[in-house]
Amino acid sequence: GAVVSQHPSWVICKSGTSVKIECRSLDFQATTMFWYRQFPKQSLMLMATSNEGSKATYEQGVEKDKFLINHASLTLSTLTVTSAHPEDSSFYICSARDGRAVYNEQFFGPGTRLTVL
Amino acid sequence: TQLLEQSPQFLSIQEGENLTVYCNSSSVFSSLQWYRQEPGEGPVLLVTVVTGGEVKKLKRLTFQFGDARKDSSLHITAAQPGDTGLYLCAGANDMRFGAGTRLTVKP
Repeated sequence: GAVVSQHPSWVICKSGTSVKIECRSLDFQATTMFWYRQFPKQSLMLMATSNEGSKATYEQGVEKDKFLINHASLTLSTLTVTSAHPEDSSFYICSARDGRAVYNEQFFGPGTRLTVL
Repeated sequence: TQLLEQSPQFLSIQEGENLTVYCNSSSVFSSLQWYRQEPGEGPVLLVTVVTGGEVKKLKRLTFQFGDARKDSSLHITAAQPGDTGLYLCAGANDMRFGAGTRLTVKP
């Protein structure tokens, strides 16, 4: 149980275009999902916390108009990188908190590698 | 916001050696989770510790939670190349990670 998928696993796009990344909890309902980005050889940086049916809470320094997050259902959250630029190239990872988990464990997706040309 | 420090940040050892990595917080954890991330993949949950002083074992991995629930350690016995990865800790209620410990086990 507790499987999280992401789609696509990798994407290459041109500068100025928008890219949508999906995060799904496959076998559980996730009231809360998290989005992270990770640069090479670095740790995960939390971008935003998203709760189903409400607006996402963004970390300081993360532009909410650039990184649009939608959490429309208990099994799906999407991250849209708008007007992407080369500096947005990164590894984006989502996680989902299993509402059944006693200790608030969260489970991660496999990540999406975004390359902006 | 809970500030997490992990040490060491980098560790390179030979196969068969033992090692310990540490996770320290500026405040008390309600519970703490350890993850391992391999290159190009998402982190995988290893263990959750909850009670101060708790010790959990997962094969060659031993996790300890400090009595005051502000620190934790991960000890690996007889490390293998398959243990290579980024080890991360996080409090369950504040899912921000520290820098992590990047472990390389050489054959």
